[in-house]
Amino acid sequence: DSGVTQTPKHLITATGQRVTLRCSPRSGDLSVYWYQQSLDQGLQFLIQYYNGEERAKGNILERFSAQQFPDLHSELNLSSLELGDSALYFCASSGRSGGNTGELFFGEGSRLTVL
Amino acid sequence: GENVEQHPSTLSVQEGDSAVIKCTYSDSASNYFPWYKQELGKRPQLIIDIRSNVGEKKDQRIAVTLNKTAKHFSLHITETQPEDSAVYFCAANSNYQLIWGAGTKLIIKP
Repeated sequence: DSGVTQTPKHLITATGQRVTLRCSPRSGDLSVYWYQQSLDQGLQFLIQYYNGEERAKGNILERFSAQQFPDLHSELNLSSLELGDSALYFCASSGRSGGNTGELFFGEGSRLTVL
Repeated sequence: GENVEQHPSTLSVQEGDSAVIKCTYSDSASNYFPWYKQELGKRPQLIIDIRSNVGEKKDQRIAVTLNKTAKHFSLHITETQPEDSAVYFCAANSNYQLIWGAGTKLIIKP
């Protein structure tokens, strides 16, 4: 158990819909990262938050948005969903050193299926 | 932009043999190089990392080497076992981010 909690574990929805994925980082971790992993693909970095503020942005679509709340949990919002958005979405957290110089702790992921 | 290339994409080795996965990076300022293992259907987990002030690091059957001049680093797994079957990702830090390789699927043949 990494200490990072993601909900829901599985989500099935239709094209055009909107979903929200939730992540609770490890206790004390200030950084939260979101990644997208399509079937048999690599890890695509979406966005990073540090203590409530956006720190880095990757290949995140304009239809996607995220935020980190004062209690440090984070939400990833995916809207106008397309078939190609079907993927496993991982949240990860890291400590004060930051994930770019220290270990990232990944949650179990939220598997999104768009029909 | 910054880039990390990882080879091979698939590696099949006989159980008990060694496996080597190689990565090259483009940002000369990178100073942290982790390796993550992702078993089928599971989350990625850190297995070993190396910082630029050392050239090699070992942890039991796993070792990582770093050549800063050539900007490449490698993962070495000796005496491979069935539980080593997984996808392995390398990464390098750049501008407060981790830049990831595309992954190597390691298959251990019985």
